[in-house]
Amino acid sequence: EAGVTQSPTHLIKTRGQQATLRCSPISGHTSVYWYQQALGLGLQFLLWYDEGEERNRGNFPPRFSGRQFPNYSSELNVNALELEDSALYLCASSLEGYSNQPQHFGDGTRLSIL
Amino acid sequence: KNQVEQSPQSLIILEGKNCTLQCNYTVSPFSNLRWYKQDTGRGPVSLTIMTFSENTKSNGRYTATLDADTKQSSLHITASQLSDSASYICVVTPVLSGGSYIPTFGRGTSLIVHP
Repeated sequence: EAGVTQSPTHLIKTRGQQATLRCSPISGHTSVYWYQQALGLGLQFLLWYDEGEERNRGNFPPRFSGRQFPNYSSELNVNALELEDSALYLCASSLEGYSNQPQHFGDGTRLSIL
Repeated sequence: KNQVEQSPQSLIILEGKNCTLQCNYTVSPFSNLRWYKQDTGRGPVSLTIMTFSENTKSNGRYTATLDADTKQSSLHITASQLSDSASYICVVTPVLSGGSYIPTFGRGTSLIVHP
């Protein structure tokens, strides 16, 4: 069974640009979660998608957005990039949203803002 | 404000020894408490998931305990191996309320196992 895959592995952008990160969940999983892991900080919840709908978002500005496609893959868009957006962005998937099912993580996209 | 505090921040032990990591939280009521292992450069891997009504959950050499009265959880690692060197993260998910789902993560305990 293929795990959660994320692309690209690394992404380098400059301030003000826009970044798009992609995530393919495990086959059969309908829920996708996005997290930010900045250096020295704990993971922070960004977004939760389930069955194509945004179910909830964390305490992040609107320039962080995303969507989930009919095949349950997802993309995270970050507009007007700022230096503080440099972080590892992790995607996870689960069989059911908001349940006690385990979340399976990808290895992340390292976003660096110059 | 919901908080999850983990201790110690870092820990060094010898291979074969046992160790216990702590997680104190303020999230209440909560749906579940999870422990993850994160190797350097990799995504977290789920170790255990406990609901508020569970006291203990095991996964091989990993055993998590939960005391909902004191709002404390611990992760006990038995007979440590070199491959246990990683960051261990505690996360508490609140009860879904008004459509809100914001899990709170601890900053993790960095464990180093020496031969």
